[in-house]
Amino acid sequence: QKEVEQNSGPLSVPEGAIASLNCTYSDRGSQSFFWYRQYSGKSPELIMFIYSNGDKEDGRFTAQLNKASQYVSLLIRDSQPSDSATYLCAVNGVSGGYNKLIFGAGTRLAVHP
Amino acid sequence: EAGVTQFPSHSVIEKGQTVTLRCDPISGHDNLYWYRRVMGKEIKFLLHFVKESKQDESGMPNNRFLAERTGGTYSTLKVQPAELEDSGVYFCASSPVGKNIQYFGAGTRLSVL
Repeated sequence: QKEVEQNSGPLSVPEGAIASLNCTYSDRGSQSFFWYRQYSGKSPELIMFIYSNGDKEDGRFTAQLNKASQYVSLLIRDSQPSDSATYLCAVNGVSGGYNKLIFGAGTRLAVHP
Repeated sequence: EAGVTQFPSHSVIEKGQTVTLRCDPISGHDNLYWYRRVMGKEIKFLLHFVKESKQDESGMPNNRFLAERTGGTYSTLKVQPAELEDSGVYFCASSPVGKNIQYFGAGTRLSVL
């Protein structure tokens, strides 16, 4: 079992729709959860982080965390073609230190006009 | 403010040669991380510096990899001798002290032929 799992996609949604990206993690002691967006050939760009159970909203983005079920999700409202990218879920590792990030393989999102 | 910068952006070398990658973190960030993404896999942690000290090098694959951060500013990652399986994208990230939000560079794509 991978430590952080994501559906590789591609997830295809029409412009204006809600895109829902999901991530599960195996280490129940994980405490910090991050969503990065990466355009091809570019740096991973942090778009959301969440530490507590529940929802956290920032503009069109909402991160949701459920520690009991060990999943974290990212909702993108009013999806735009410019949102087309790979979305990486990352978790702060408990085993071996709180500083290193453990990544999922990423979900490719394609928003079509 | 400049972000994390990495040099070179792309390096092509032959098996057995030596390559040195460089990372300049965001000014004032004491934490510096190296990660690697090999083809089709997730981004994996290599090591973590706090200033010039190696805090965690549990992800370094073998002794052909040597990371340094003299003076606590920029860091280098040397691969000597390079093997085919070392091909991938090497990312550097930095974060300020006390914060676990990591900012990534665009990466160095290493191709070992």
